[in-house]
Amino acid sequence: KAGVTQTPRYLIKTRGQQVTLSCSPISGHRSVSWYQQTPGQGLQFLFEYFSETQRNKGNFPGRFSGRQFSNSRSEMNVSTLELGDSALYLCASSLDSAYNEQFFGPGTRLTVL
Amino acid sequence: GDSVTQMEGPVTLSEEAFLTINCTYTATGYPSLFWYVQYPGEGLQLLLKATKADDKGSNKGFEATYRKETTSFHLEKGSVQVSDSAVYFCALSALNTGNQFYFGTGTSLTVIP
Repeated sequence: KAGVTQTPRYLIKTRGQQVTLSCSPISGHRSVSWYQQTPGQGLQFLFEYFSETQRNKGNFPGRFSGRQFSNSRSEMNVSTLELGDSALYLCASSLDSAYNEQFFGPGTRLTVL
Repeated sequence: GDSVTQMEGPVTLSEEAFLTINCTYTATGYPSLFWYVQYPGEGLQLLLKATKADDKGSNKGFEATYRKETTSFHLEKGSVQVSDSAVYFCALSALNTGNQFYFGTGTSLTVIP
């Protein structure tokens, strides 16, 4: 079974630009979550999508948005990039149950110059 | 709200030493508990999990027991190896919070030969 895939793996953008990151979950997984990981703040939850609906949301500004498609693939978008948005963005998928673990992708490393 | 508190790092141990990484949690419901490991440049991988009180999760020589009375899920390994050097994250997930995962801040472990 293929794991969670994220594209692209690396991105370099400049302040003010926008970026879209993509995540393909494990086949059969309908829940997709996004996290931002930085050395200073650790792992922070962005949002979770289930069956194309945002089910949970973290404490991030509206510049961060996401969506999920009918095939469970998900995208997240960051508009008007700031230097502080430089981070590793991780996507995780899971079956819809508290007993089931999340499976993580390798992440997208975003650098904002 | 639900949360996880993890032992601060970094932790440095000699090969074959005993490892304990403390994790305590706060949850209003009956969460499932997880330990994840992150190797440099990679996403998070599930190390072990426990879904109810007194369950013991184990994998690759690591163990953790779900202690409801002390709200703890401490990670232990009897004899660490250099290859165990990584960052370890404790996490919980609960049905009453829509299966959202809550992660600790991570504990960096370095094992020296």
